[in-house]
Amino acid sequence: AQKVTQAQTEISVVEKEDVTLDCVYETRDTTYYLFWYKQPPSGELVFLIRRNSFDEQNEISGRYSWNFQKSTSSFNFTITASQVVDSAVYFCALSENSGGATNKLIFGTGTLLAVQP
Amino acid sequence: ETGVTQTPRHLVMGMTNKKSLKCEQHLGHNAMYWYKQSAKKPLELMFVYSLEERVENNSVPSRFSPECPNSSHLFLHLHTLQPEDSALYLCASGTGDEQFFGPGTRLTVL
Repeated sequence: AQKVTQAQTEISVVEKEDVTLDCVYETRDTTYYLFWYKQPPSGELVFLIRRNSFDEQNEISGRYSWNFQKSTSSFNFTITASQVVDSAVYFCALSENSGGATNKLIFGTGTLLAVQP
Repeated sequence: ETGVTQTPRHLVMGMTNKKSLKCEQHLGHNAMYWYKQSAKKPLELMFVYSLEERVENNSVPSRFSPECPNSSHLFLHLHTLQPEDSALYLCASGTGDEQFFGPGTRLTVL
């Protein structure tokens, strides 16, 4: 069965600190996608990144970076020099590659990040 | 602008009421989804539509009735709900690779 675990329920940091959000997944599929979404207080889930299971290259986008380690089934997310606007709930998700027009996302329980000024 | 809109943003209803949630996407996607987000629980997939045809129904109680009249619109009809149905209901549209979410409807059942 597929499963996504985000062990950190809440994290509180002070502005400008670096913070890493952990994500561990379980799947028997050899082809799958991993995602990170941000949910600010407004409620909308904002897409941050999608990573194919065959691409283990780490990715950096501005202050955001992602570390995909297939050997440990982890897809961790680091925010460098955090800002108050980064405060939100962050969700990691997993989907199979159905090859069709739809995909089924399995979400973790989310990590609430609070960045204090 | 996200490309996926939901109305209303907030809804309070009694257990005997009938109401509908609306979702509209402007992204040209063929798939649309309903999710339920309850406090301290992972997002739960409720329904999936592909090209207006329901392809998944995750054992959702019949008091929730989805409708997809075309690829741009998705409704969730609600009747005789229970207080435990209070949650954030999120709509998403997407392709086979990714999903984009709307802002959600915060539903409170009294």
